[in-house]
Amino acid sequence: GAVVSQHPSWVICKSGTSVKIECRSLDFQATTMFWYRQFPKQSLMLMATSNEGSKATYEQGVEKDKFLINHASLTLSTLTVTSAHPEDSSFYICSAQGASNTEAFFGQGTRLTVV
Amino acid sequence: AQSVAQPEDQVNVAEGNPLTVKCTYSVSGNPYLFWYVQYPNRGLQFLLKYITGDNLVKGSYGFEAEFNKSQTSFHLKKPSALVSDSALYFCAVRAFFSGAGSYQLTFGKGTKLSVIP
Repeated sequence: GAVVSQHPSWVICKSGTSVKIECRSLDFQATTMFWYRQFPKQSLMLMATSNEGSKATYEQGVEKDKFLINHASLTLSTLTVTSAHPEDSSFYICSAQGASNTEAFFGQGTRLTVV
Repeated sequence: AQSVAQPEDQVNVAEGNPLTVKCTYSVSGNPYLFWYVQYPNRGLQFLLKYITGDNLVKGSYGFEAEFNKSQTSFHLKKPSALVSDSALYFCAVRAFFSGAGSYQLTFGKGTKLSVIP
């Protein structure tokens, strides 16, 4: 299957700082990328959907000014958690889908810990 | 609105025995159904999908799933479980969201599979 690389796999940051997470599709063009958040022992919660070259569409309750998403190219999307707080600590997962794909492919996830 | 139900939080099965992880769905139109597996602190790995055609779908690692339209189910199965199959399994249905202008996956809550040696 197609490969999606997510970086970093884990990050610890101080409260008030910003953290950027990258999601790259390595062997296909990702027309759509998705960002999820997963709490312990829970399912994935969709945060936002981004189509290449367009503004991301955020799910209800997700602060777009706090979780900045950029999808500037067909192989890269970034999620920036701005002014991070301990409650933002979570597992963040991206997925990517190409125009010809019926399934989405997932990155390895990023464990964010805000101290 | 579409939804996916995985009625079991946890499934325990002895190694070598057959396993079933249940999933039912609700979606308008023809469903696109998926199973993913997640190992601890990792992203999701695609196992198999049903789009159309044969109701029995074969996927990775010896897994298969049976699409049943009348029961709106898509249960995941494996004839002989391995200890290494122990993980979190997610069922998902794909639907088009006009607001986002793209297809999105709706996930079940997940089922933890434990294969006992």
